[in-house]
Amino acid sequence: SAVISQKPSRDICQRGTSLTIQCQVDSQVTMMFWYRQQPGQSLTLIATANQGSEATYESGFVIDKFPISRPNLTFSTLTVSNMSPEDSSIYLCSVEGAPREQYFGPGTRLTVT
Amino acid sequence: RKEVEQDPGPFNVPEGATVAFNCTYSNSASQSFFWYRQDCRKEPKLLMSVYSSGNEDGRFTAQLNRASQYISLLIRDSKLSDSATYLCVVARKDSSYKLIFGSGTRLLVRP
Repeated sequence: SAVISQKPSRDICQRGTSLTIQCQVDSQVTMMFWYRQQPGQSLTLIATANQGSEATYESGFVIDKFPISRPNLTFSTLTVSNMSPEDSSIYLCSVEGAPREQYFGPGTRLTVT
Repeated sequence: RKEVEQDPGPFNVPEGATVAFNCTYSNSASQSFFWYRQDCRKEPKLLMSVYSSGNEDGRFTAQLNRASQYISLLIRDSKLSDSATYLCVVARKDSSYKLIFGSGTRLLVRP
C-alpha cells in the first residue's frame, strides 16, 4: 500500500480564517480523495480529486468552501475556507490501491475556536 | 435512513471470545464491500475485503449476502489488540467509485 503523509497533523484556528491541508503520496496515483470525520462520527467523502481536472464534490460540499488543488500525481491540497466551529473535524486524504480499496493518510485534526 | 447501518456497540468481550458484527446496506447498486478498522485517534485501515463466497484471514471471517444486503465480520479468539472500531464500508459507482462508511461498531476486549 502507498505511504501517505499529511500536513499539518493538527491545528487550532480562529473562525473566519482558512487552513490549507497538504497530502503527499510516495507513488503516483490517479485519484485522491478527501474525507471529513466529525467528532464521534464516521467518514464522509468531501470530494474526489483527479490530476488535471476539477475536483468532484459530494452533495453538501462546495468548491468555495473546500477548494482543492491536484497539481501532480503525488500531491493534493484541501483548503477549509472561512472556518467556523462546525468545521472542527479530522480531515483525511486517501488514495486507491487495489481496485476500490482505499488507504488513508494519518489525518489533520482541526479545531476552530 | 443511513446507506450503511451498523450496531454502534460497544461490544465488551473477554479475551478468547468469539464476536460477530453485522452490517446492512440499502443501495443494491453497491459493488464492493470491506471491513476497515480504526483505532482511537488514528486513520482507518483496511482489514479485509468481503466476497460473496465468504473469505477468511486468520481469526477473521467475512460474509456477504447480496440478496439480503447484509455483511458480517466474525472474530474468533479475541485478543486485547483487537479493541478498536470496526467500520463496514461499501463501494458503489457514480461518476467514480465512492466509498460509503458505516458509523462503526466499537469492540472492547478485556483481560
